[in-house]
Amino acid sequence: EIVLTQSPDFQSVTPKEKVTITCRASQSIGSSLHWYQQKPDQSPKLLIKYASQSFSGVPSRFSGSGSGTDFTLTINSLEAEDAATYYCHQSSSLPTFGQGTKVEIK
Amino acid sequence: EVQLVESGGGLVKPGGSLRLSCAASGFTFSNAWMTWVRQAPGKGLEWVGRIKSKTDGGTTDYAAPVKGRFTISRDDSKNTLYLQMNSLKTEDTAVYYCSALTSGYWGQGTLVTVSS
Repeated sequence: EIVLTQSPDFQSVTPKEKVTITCRASQSIGSSLHWYQQKPDQSPKLLIKYASQSFSGVPSRFSGSGSGTDFTLTINSLEAEDAATYYCHQSSSLPTFGQGTKVEIK
Repeated sequence: EVQLVESGGGLVKPGGSLRLSCAASGFTFSNAWMTWVRQAPGKGLEWVGRIKSKTDGGTTDYAAPVKGRFTISRDDSKNTLYLQMNSLKTEDTAVYYCSALTSGYWGQGTLVTVSS
């Protein structure tokens, strides 16, 4: 099983600040890494697929990068509505999710 | 508009069974690899299993904690995905989502509570 480890687990950020979340895979997964946003009592929403492809309708402040084992989700100029938990997910082999990163607005 | 609507959740005793359904509309269901993901209360997302499209073999894969107890199936004529859950344990308590993951389609989830 491929283990995905996200860091940090929690981040408290002021609006307009830049947020960086990393996801490290236990073995190389190429670009088969995807990012989701989940707000309380809602289903997850796809933000980025295949490491860097923005999903339709996602604000341009969200971007993804990386390949192999190290990946990054960046939120430029954080907005209050971005308070959520963010998950990475790999589809290289049997799918797995990272443990999640909770982003709180200060 | 794409919709995935789960149903069938509820309260069940340990050792019991439950079948979840996921009705799909708004996309070509028969071409989609469909997945079940669960989320225990206050916890993160956990992949449960998937079923490939029939054109890709229609095979299933499962996460280790549910293998041998859960069965995923699909009826493309009804655009419906199923999750048969047997020998349920308290640790199976979660909201269960159906999803076509990298297509970005998720249902609203259905709560399964396993408790005596």
